[in-house]
Amino acid sequence: DAGVTQSPTHLIKTRGQQVTLRCSPKSGHDTVSWYQQALGQGPQFIFQYYEEEERQRGNFPDRFSGHQFPNYSSELNVNALLLGDSALYLCASSWGIGGALTDTQYFGPGTRLTVL
Amino acid sequence: QQQVKQSPQSLIVQKGGISIINCAYENTAFDYFPWYQQFPGKGPALLIAIRPDVSEKKEGRFTISFNKSAKQFSLHIMDSQPGDSATYFCAASMMQDSNYQLIWGAGTKLIIKP
Repeated sequence: DAGVTQSPTHLIKTRGQQVTLRCSPKSGHDTVSWYQQALGQGPQFIFQYYEEEERQRGNFPDRFSGHQFPNYSSELNVNALLLGDSALYLCASSWGIGGALTDTQYFGPGTRLTVL
Repeated sequence: QQQVKQSPQSLIVQKGGISIINCAYENTAFDYFPWYQQFPGKGPALLIAIRPDVSEKKEGRFTISFNKSAKQFSLHIMDSQPGDSATYFCAASMMQDSNYQLIWGAGTKLIIKP
């Protein structure tokens, strides 16, 4: 049973560029959440996708956008990259929206984004 | 009211000792309390979790103690090993306005000395 997978592992971009990160959820999961984790800090919630729609969003600007595909995989897009966007981007998957089964989130290994 | 306060920020424990990490919350609507373990360069991995209807949960060397009245919960790692050296995050979750919220503590960097 494959866990959450993310690609690429590492990425280096320059300021102003755009980036797309990808995530495949754990088998059986249909909800994907994205987090940004700066060095030495806890994960910060970006947004969550369920049934191909953004269901909730954290305190991140519109430069951060996403998409969920019919197979439940997801993309995170960041436009006009800033130096401060350098971080580990984590994808987490869970099942459904609401209820006990949705509590447990499983995380992927993350994508390390460096903005120069 | 949405915060989860975690302490200490860092912790050094001798091999074989007991590691204790504490968390406190304010919002009584939280109904699920997971602990995550994260190694450098890796994503957090769910370690153990508890619901407020029980006061303690044990899985191997890891135990969560939960005090509902004090709104506190803690992670105890018995017989700590060098392989336990990692950053540990407590979290708390709830449903609010049909949205699922997972609120994280700031993390504790644990070092187990051989």
